[in-house]
Amino acid sequence: DAGITQSPRYKITETGRQVTLMCHQTWSHSYMFWYRQDLGHGLRLIYYSAAADITDKGEVPDGYVVSRSKTENFPLTLESATRSQTSVYFCASLRGRGETQYFGPGTRLLVL
Amino acid sequence: AQSVTQLGSHVSVSEGALVLLRCNYSSSVPPYLFWYVQYPNQGLQLLLKYTTGATLVKGINGFEAEFKKSETSFHLTKPSAHMSDAAEYFCAVSDSGGYNKLIFGAGTRLAVHP
Repeated sequence: DAGITQSPRYKITETGRQVTLMCHQTWSHSYMFWYRQDLGHGLRLIYYSAAADITDKGEVPDGYVVSRSKTENFPLTLESATRSQTSVYFCASLRGRGETQYFGPGTRLLVL
Repeated sequence: AQSVTQLGSHVSVSEGALVLLRCNYSSSVPPYLFWYVQYPNQGLQLLLKYTTGATLVKGINGFEAEFKKSETSFHLTKPSAHMSDAAEYFCAVSDSGGYNKLIFGAGTRLAVHP
């Protein structure tokens, strides 16, 4: 089915481990985004991308790495997970300004 | 730089009552404005948006919002609340930079009581 998907939907990991969250969209949208959602902070932008191989930092990029070798995929890697990275992570895609930004279902990450 | 302020982190209404969720923005360019809704354990979905043209915008599920440039507001309303409207609502403005990022407000959690 067309749309935007995230995997895994739930993940439990330990402090210090590397974790990769996957995001895939089928619309060939140019723009993609990663957000984290925490109580009291709303949605905060981690990284974003305007096209394959073009990425930039958002509001809270520390401890995260992204890549975008293909237009449809935008993985987010936590290089060495910390408890403060326990959160719900949302991926989103967008065709252009003024268009609808579509969100994935989210990944709930717990870092022990 | 653009910013969004949502007045009231929690709003509670009775079923059948008017819903009013407030959103004010700041933008140095003509704004593109959005309302998104998030149901429990789900991602965000678009309720409605204003880009150009008519300032009263109708969205899904009976919601509407009016863009008022003089007040820099984009308040969300629904004449009669339904239990299924209980969710978190986010107002957003489109960044004028090249990446078309959305700048989100902190969100308003709507509770609907019988």
